[in-house]
Amino acid sequence: DSGVTQTPKHLITATGQRVTLRCSPRSGDLSVYWYQQSLDQGLQFLIQYYNGEERAKGNILERFSAQQFPDLHSELNLSSLELGDSALYFCASSVELEWAGELFFGEGSRLTVL
Amino acid sequence: LAKTTQPISMDSYEGQEVNITCSHNNIATNDYITWYQQFPSQGPRFIIQGYKTKVTNEVASLFIPADRKSSTLSLPRVSLSDTAVYYCLVGDRSNYGGSQGNLIFGKGTKLSVKP
Repeated sequence: DSGVTQTPKHLITATGQRVTLRCSPRSGDLSVYWYQQSLDQGLQFLIQYYNGEERAKGNILERFSAQQFPDLHSELNLSSLELGDSALYFCASSVELEWAGELFFGEGSRLTVL
Repeated sequence: LAKTTQPISMDSYEGQEVNITCSHNNIATNDYITWYQQFPSQGPRFIIQGYKTKVTNEVASLFIPADRKSSTLSLPRVSLSDTAVYYCLVGDRSNYGGSQGNLIFGKGTKLSVKP
């Protein structure tokens, strides 16, 4: 158990819909990272937050947004969903702003768009 | 942005030593090399990190030659439970925004251990 909690574990929805994925980082961790993993694309970095502020951005679509709240939990919002958005979405956390080498990953949220 | 190249897949048998090599020809002076392990439907898990020469922990060893243009993850006496995808990452661990190499996993090496 990494200490990172993600909900929901599974989510099935239809194209055009909007969903929110939630992540609670390890106690004391200030940085939260979001990743998308699909079969053909591998593990793709989406975005990083540190103590409520966006710090790094990867291949995140404009239809996707994220935020980190004062209690440090984070949410990833996916809107106007397409079939290609079906994937595992992982959240990871680390203590520091600077990446010190070890990210702690949650179990992921599996999104299926029908 | 340092890029890495790993074999797509490898096969091994229980009890053998497995060496997975990662090429990173454009590695920068401040870059560290980190390896993660991922089981199906689980998040990646940190294995080991190094800068040069050799690093060893209870799980694996990491060998880095003097020119640092490649690294080798060594798994001693693998078992069936070592079947997983292994990722090599290269990045500057003090640079959270400028260098995202430390955040890019790629597709990794799928290791299959057979009985």
